[in-house]
Amino acid sequence: AQTVTQSQPEMSVQEAETVTLSCTYDTSESDYYLFWYKQPPSRQMILVIRQEAYKQQNATENRFSVNFQKAAKSFSLKISDSQLGDAAMYFCAYSRDDKIIFGKGTRLHILP
Amino acid sequence: DTAVSQTPKYLVTQMGNDKSIKCEQNLGHDTMYWYKQDSKKFLKIMFSYNNKELIINETVPNRFSPKSPDKAHLNLHINSLELGDSAVYFCASSHRDLPFDEQFFGPGTRLTVL
Repeated sequence: AQTVTQSQPEMSVQEAETVTLSCTYDTSESDYYLFWYKQPPSRQMILVIRQEAYKQQNATENRFSVNFQKAAKSFSLKISDSQLGDAAMYFCAYSRDDKIIFGKGTRLHILP
Repeated sequence: DTAVSQTPKYLVTQMGNDKSIKCEQNLGHDTMYWYKQDSKKFLKIMFSYNNKELIINETVPNRFSPKSPDKAHLNLHINSLELGDSAVYFCASSHRDLPFDEQFFGPGTRLTVL
């Protein structure tokens, strides 16, 4: 069975600094998708970034980028130039076919 | 325009009652989901429907019954509510034919059972 592990329940970063959130997963499949979702206090689930497993190039969306290591089954999220609005729960997710599996989340605090 | 909407946003009710949460998506997606997010923020899939057909049914009590009148709607009916049902319930949708299995989430419904 596939699993997603986020080993950091909580993290803090100074505003304007860079922070990396860790995510590892377990699967025997070779073709799948990986996502990072953000859940701010408003509770809305917002897609931050996504990665296709067959693509070696790391996905990037403005200040958000991932370090995708397929062999190591690692999918970390790097947030550059952290802003106060980045404070939220971040969920790593694995998806294949119609199923998506979430990690337990990392709560990110931004320190002014 | 709201892509995935849920009603109500908040639901407070007594143990033993029956309640429903409605979900609608206007994205033209063919697959819809229900998730439960517990007090520790853990998100777990409950059900998935594709073209009104149940395709994922995780281990949830049979007091929970999803109903999909059409592709754009997936409602969640809960019978005999229990304290442990208190959680935030998210509806989501996706399209099988798109290259990404990205799911679009509704705003969530916070259910509190007293």
